[in-house]
Amino acid sequence: QVQLQESGPGLVQPSETLSLTCTVSGGSINNYYWTWIRQPAGKGLEWIGRFSAIGSTDYNPSLKRRVTMSVDTSKNQFSLKVSSVTAADTAVYYCAREDIDVGRRLDQWGQGTQVTVSS
Amino acid sequence: DIQMTQSPSSLSASVGDRVTITCRASQSISNYLNWYQQKPGKAPKLLIYVASNLQSGVPSRFSGSGSGTDFTLTITSLQPEDVATYYCQQSYSTPRTFGQGTMLEI
Repeated sequence: QVQLQESGPGLVQPSETLSLTCTVSGGSINNYYWTWIRQPAGKGLEWIGRFSAIGSTDYNPSLKRRVTMSVDTSKNQFSLKVSSVTAADTAVYYCAREDIDVGRRLDQWGQGTQVTVSS
Repeated sequence: DIQMTQSPSSLSASVGDRVTITCRASQSISNYLNWYQQKPGKAPKLLIYVASNLQSGVPSRFSGSGSGTDFTLTITSLQPEDVATYYCQQSYSTPRTFGQGTMLEI
């Protein structure tokens, strides 16, 4: 059974860069799209973007200027960076797997990690 | 971007009731519609994919239907453990977008 686990600092200073890593265990990072989604407290889900191990990426236009995603296949990890953060970037951040062969469903999710932007 | 609109935003029902949540897309998304259940403090969990396919391990009281722009999630015989927020999501195009959620209470 594939498991995903987010990790990274829980507190980020305004104007700095938020950096998170998702570690995939129990399966390969190849052959799927890997997705980041966030959820501010008490609000809905926002799709940040996705990428594949072969380097194909799609970012949400609302965040595109500030977002970078990358992968380390040797460690079975993928990463998210969001630059120039503000309080509006405070949220629980989830990584998830998109199964592009079966309905492009988000079938595996990490437990989520809280990131707070504050000085 | 494709806008996803769910109704109602919140719903209160009794154990054993049949519950229906609807989701409407701002343009046709064929059947690229998924449903997720999120319990407080937990990550979302996939319930239904490609509009009507039940994810492995999900109870059969959950079902989905629809195509094009209009979709429905139905829970027959509501159980106490079904208290959650439900989200639809289109996977037809990027950016992927979610409905605003339907909070289900008992």
